[in-house]
Amino acid sequence: GENVEQHPSTLSVQEGDSAVIKCTYSDSASNYFPWYKQELGKRPQLIIDIRSNVGEKKDQRIAVTLNKTAKHFSLHITETQPEDSAVYFCAASWTDSNYQLIWGAGTKLIIKP
Amino acid sequence: NAGVTQTPKFQVLKTGQSMTLQCAQDMNHNSMYWYRQDPGMGLRLIYYSASEGTTDKGEVPNGYNVSRLNKREFSLRLESAAPSQTSVYFCASSEQVNTEAFFGQGTRLTVV
Repeated sequence: GENVEQHPSTLSVQEGDSAVIKCTYSDSASNYFPWYKQELGKRPQLIIDIRSNVGEKKDQRIAVTLNKTAKHFSLHITETQPEDSAVYFCAASWTDSNYQLIWGAGTKLIIKP
Repeated sequence: NAGVTQTPKFQVLKTGQSMTLQCAQDMNHNSMYWYRQDPGMGLRLIYYSASEGTTDKGEVPNGYNVSRLNKREFSLRLESAAPSQTSVYFCASSEQVNTEAFFGQGTRLTVV
């Protein structure tokens, strides 16, 4: 079945530096790749998503890149701020399950002051 | 605008008891989902309803049943709770498959 691997599991960066989280997926027909942010004790919220016909998408300090050949996609956060501290989840659609999402295990991002 | 509302927020069950988690959305979304979230494992889909009148199994459906009561409401039932079902449960909805999902506030369920 579909598998989504997410790395690293924990990432600690200095405030103002950039953070990169990477996910790989196994279903070559996956066509939708969202990223969600979950603050401690809160619900997940979408921060950015990308579809398979696009290689890169940006929204202010956040960007996502997709490499379909290598079957991986990455979240880039620039100029990190304390409020970026959270757990970030990637997901990929799974064709065998009517394109429902399979989720990565999450990355805990810690922004050091 | 309430978004996605799920009840209860917390629940403790004894092994073998049953319960129903309720979820309602007011965004006129077609698709609704039930996930469970366990430490270090991300979100796993239990059941989903792509549109009113349809329900399908996700990754981890065993021990659960669902009902799409109408377009707004999607309930999750545990018929005979087991300790392995201790988890945080999230309901979510989206306009259609593969669009932004909006989550409820979660239900923390403990089975003892």
